[in-house]
Amino acid sequence: TQLLEQSPQFLSIQEGENLTVYCNSSSVFSSLQWYRQEPGEGPVLLVTVVTGGEVKKLKRLTFQFGDARKDSSLHITAAQPGDTGLYLCAGAGYSTLTFGKGTMLLVSP
Amino acid sequence: GAGVSQSPSNKVTEKGKDVELRCDPISGHTALYWYRQSLGQGLEFLIYFQGNSAPDKSGLPSDRFSAERTGGSVSTLTIQRTQQEDSAVYLCASSRLELEADTQYFGPGTRLTVL
Repeated sequence: TQLLEQSPQFLSIQEGENLTVYCNSSSVFSSLQWYRQEPGEGPVLLVTVVTGGEVKKLKRLTFQFGDARKDSSLHITAAQPGDTGLYLCAGAGYSTLTFGKGTMLLVSP
Repeated sequence: GAGVSQSPSNKVTEKGKDVELRCDPISGHTALYWYRQSLGQGLEFLIYFQGNSAPDKSGLPSDRFSAERTGGSVSTLTIQRTQQEDSAVYLCASSRLELEADTQYFGPGTRLTVL
């Protein structure tokens, strides 16, 4: 069974701070996806990283895929209250996704 | 509709009763997925459909769980003789193609509470 470990589980910060969340696995994935989920809604895809060492930027969010394609990180610069939510990483397998348990981020004004 | 819809949004039932959860995927999406999300847990894969067939049922927790899809569109997840541990949010997602990196679009989920 492929497992994805996310850390930290919970993060509470002030507006304007920077943060990094991590997604680690002992397994290699062909691609890895990051989702954000708000209360009462389903997850929404933020980015897919495919190539080892790949870095993708989405405004203030920077996503990195490890060289060995086993781990990934999400860095948020100058966090805003609108970034509050559950961040989930998911490794792509054959036709299915394996999700981590997520990092709950709370950004206070 | 524009997105994946699920009904009901909330369901409260008594232990031992059967429940049916419905998912309407995005029109034209070939693949449909069911997940379960419990408090403090990630999304647990249950089953996926390619068209009307289910190539992978490995995630279904027990034989009390079943799912079907008709017309390549609507899917229902049925839980028989519900137990308290079945309480969770059940999420449905669809994607255009059955490809591992294809974007899955999620519905808002059905929150199931078994008393």
